[in-house]
Amino acid sequence: EVQLVDSGGGLVQPGESLRLSCSASGFIFSSHAISWVRQAPGKGLEWVSYIGGSSITIWYADSVKGRFTISRDNGNNAVYLQMNNLRAEDTAVYYCARVGSRGYFDFWGHGALVTVSS
Amino acid sequence: DIQMTQSPSTLSASVRDRVTITCRASQTVNSWLAWYQQKPGKAPKLLIYKASSLQSGVPSRFSGSGSGTEFTLTISSLQPDDFATYYCQQYNSFPWTFGQGTKVDIK
Repeated sequence: EVQLVDSGGGLVQPGESLRLSCSASGFIFSSHAISWVRQAPGKGLEWVSYIGGSSITIWYADSVKGRFTISRDNGNNAVYLQMNNLRAEDTAVYYCARVGSRGYFDFWGHGALVTVSS
Repeated sequence: DIQMTQSPSTLSASVRDRVTITCRASQTVNSWLAWYQQKPGKAPKLLIYKASSLQSGVPSRFSGSGSGTEFTLTISSLQPDDFATYYCQQYNSFPWTFGQGTKVDIK
């Protein structure tokens, strides 16, 4: 059974940092790209970042470029999102999601809440 | 960036109704379009990928159609479990983008 478990959310002040983790199981981890998708309270879905199976291909949304860094550890079946210089507008539930064969998200984590507030 | 626009934003319907949601792209996404269902407090669930391919385990009352810039999600006979918010997503090119969502509620 495919499972993704997001963790690492919390309450931070503007300008601070946080690292989210996504732990995967039930599939050949290195064969799949992983993305982070976020959802601000009461709002829609926003794609944040993408990392290919071998970490060669990485993409970011403009809203987080230069502040967020995605990485993965295929030996430990984990993906990370290092979030620096956090802003109030980064407040959201962050989901990690497995990327299907082309670019859709076929499995999702349960989400990690990040709150940026003074 | 490719903008995705869904209509309507809210849809009131009854059980057994046929429901259609439209998603329009600001430029072609070919057939690289997915549909998701999301219930409050839960992660989204993939329903349709590549515009019309039904994800494994999804009931056959859900169907998708379209290509290029105009797409539809149809629920042939709405069931109580289908009251939720639906999102389209293009994955033709980065940045991948979602529609704003369509909430299907009880009439």
